[in-house]
Amino acid sequence: EAGVAQSPRYKIIEKRQSVAFWCNPISGHATLYWYQQILGQGPKLLIQFQNNGVVDDSQLPKDRFSAERLKGVDSTLKIQPAKLEDSAVYLCASSVQAGGSTDTQYFGPGTRLTVL
Amino acid sequence: AQSVTQLGSHVSVSEGALVLLRCNYSSSVPPYLFWYVQYPNQGLQLLLKYTSAATLVKGINGFEAEFKKSETSFHLTKPSAHMSDAAEYFCAVSGDTGRRALTFGSGTRLQVQP
Repeated sequence: EAGVAQSPRYKIIEKRQSVAFWCNPISGHATLYWYQQILGQGPKLLIQFQNNGVVDDSQLPKDRFSAERLKGVDSTLKIQPAKLEDSAVYLCASSVQAGGSTDTQYFGPGTRLTVL
Repeated sequence: AQSVTQLGSHVSVSEGALVLLRCNYSSSVPPYLFWYVQYPNQGLQLLLKYTSAATLVKGINGFEAEFKKSETSFHLTKPSAHMSDAAEYFCAVSGDTGRRALTFGSGTRLQVQP
């Protein structure tokens, strides 16, 4: 079974530029998550999708971050314009569905963003 | 709201020694608790999870954790450390019903000395 795919793996941009990350979850997984992991910290949820609807985006900085999940499969996370403090690893995860006691989140390898 | 505290950002043990990584949680509802491991430049991999079925949970690679409600703890242990166990370990708690996003601790980096 293929895992969660993310691209690109690494990205370096100047501040105020825009950037987009892509995630392809495990086939059949209804729930998709984007986490931000700043160096030395644990991952922090940015947004959670259930199929193509947003379940939780309370911690997403909506003035600069946006995300979509078209057709309930792939997802894109965008930052525009980027700030220095956005330097982090962006992790995508998926699970069969939210709310089940056996629900396990499977993580992709992440995209390491460096903002100069 | 949920939160997790991991005591000790760095833990160093000798190969063959006991591994003990500490995790305390705070939750207003019965929690689901998880331990994930992260190797350099890789995503997180599930080690084990507590879902209220049994308080002692066995995971992969010889790790286990015990849920203690009275102490609000979910410490991770392994009887004998191996060099390949060197990694970053994260404890996490899940949210309320219908919202299973994880709240992570800040992580513990485990070093294994030969």
